[in-house]
Amino acid sequence: EADIYQTPRYLVIGTGKKITLECSQTMGHDKMYWYQQDPGMELHLIHYSYGVNSTEKGDLSSESTVSRIRTEHFPLTLESARPSHTSQYLCASSRGGPGNTIYFGEGSWLTVV
Amino acid sequence: AQSVSQHNHHVILSEAASLELGCNYSYGGTVNLFWYVQYPGQHLQLLLKYFSGDPLVKGIKGFEAEFIKSKFSFNLRKPSVQWSDTAEYFCAVIPSGGSYIPTFGRGTSLIVHP
Repeated sequence: EADIYQTPRYLVIGTGKKITLECSQTMGHDKMYWYQQDPGMELHLIHYSYGVNSTEKGDLSSESTVSRIRTEHFPLTLESARPSHTSQYLCASSRGGPGNTIYFGEGSWLTVV
Repeated sequence: AQSVSQHNHHVILSEAASLELGCNYSYGGTVNLFWYVQYPGQHLQLLLKYFSGDPLVKGIKGFEAEFIKSKFSFNLRKPSVQWSDTAEYFCAVIPSGGSYIPTFGRGTSLIVHP
């Protein structure tokens, strides 16, 4: 069973609001990721981190930002939400090395009205 | 950059039917390959993975996948599906060199009728 948690699970907010999606893992994994997924579509990597104070943008352009101040915590922030940000956001983590399993949280469904 | 193609977006089967889901990737170097499954209302979880050795790998719940390097493929198979296999299935690839960042396919929605 994976120990990676996301909050909130579901959120409806108004355009222009600031929102932070929380993600925490208790497995001591150094690598963490944020994916965006629309229903029936592929997972798009928007941010990743190799460890504390390391963050990188992924393949999908995103107006969000992330931080990695602690190993276990990798929050994602939208400074000004827009309807185009409506999607599911998946947080994941893994140990270093390409053959290691990636563990996913349950996802945060964001609707911007 | 690598990419992953899953050609079957929606598959509908009856129980006991055989299953094969296609996965092809584009990357010239050594890769690590994964199949993940997402059951309704649950998080994505690992079904099986290949990173070296026997190209035929076995996973949980009777699933297996075969890595065919010459075809850049990693197809998922199960000889006899059950209603409980209804889920979304995602293929993923992680190159053995570089940033080790995973790329996922679009996913295949499998519905198994009892």
